[in-house]
Amino acid sequence: QERMVESGGGVVRPGRSLRLSCAASGFTFSRYGLHWVRQTPGKRLEWVAVIWSNGINKYYGDSVKGRFTISRDNSRNTFYLQMNSLRAEDTAIYYCTRALSSYHDCWGQGTLVTVSS
Amino acid sequence: QSALTQPASVSGSPGQAITIPCVGTNSDIGGYNFVSWYQQHPGKAPKLIIYEVTNRPSGVPDRFSGSKSGNTASLTVSGLQAEDEADYYCSSFTGGNIELFGTGTKVTVL
Repeated sequence: QERMVESGGGVVRPGRSLRLSCAASGFTFSRYGLHWVRQTPGKRLEWVAVIWSNGINKYYGDSVKGRFTISRDNSRNTFYLQMNSLRAEDTAIYYCTRALSSYHDCWGQGTLVTVSS
Repeated sequence: QSALTQPASVSGSPGQAITIPCVGTNSDIGGYNFVSWYQQHPGKAPKLIIYEVTNRPSGVPDRFSGSKSGNTASLTVSGLQAEDEADYYCSSFTGGNIELFGTGTKVTVL
């Protein structure tokens, strides 16, 4: 059964860092592009970042560019989102997803990140 | 980067058809056939229901259909059922490998 499970969320102060992980199982991990998508308290979905299957191409949304870094470890079927210089507006549920093409066909259950002093 | 525009809410009676528009620009929806739609029930993760404008993943009922005209994509739910009450989001890939989501539409079954 295809499954993706996020971890690493929590409460963090503005300016601090947090690393999210996403462990995948039930499919050939190395074939897929991997994404982070977040959902704000207002329920808006916002695409955050993608890392292609080659592990080299990485792209970021404007609001996180320069602060967040996506990476993957195919040997562990896991990928990550390193979040630095966190801001209150980064508060959201963070979902990890996979995409073979342009669409997200498998989502994790989400992990909540709260940035607050 | 701006979000794609959707109406905040749409409602319909059981058995009726509803259509949710998703308005973008010629840099996203109008420029690519990479529009997808997601359904989200309360407390759950989004679920893919339409990809590449018109395609349905296996297991998604055929009462869900997608289309596109110019810079506007649309999701139609024919024969509305109680379990279709949920939030719906469109998305489109753009040039530069960036993705945009829509603002979301709450569907209420009367």
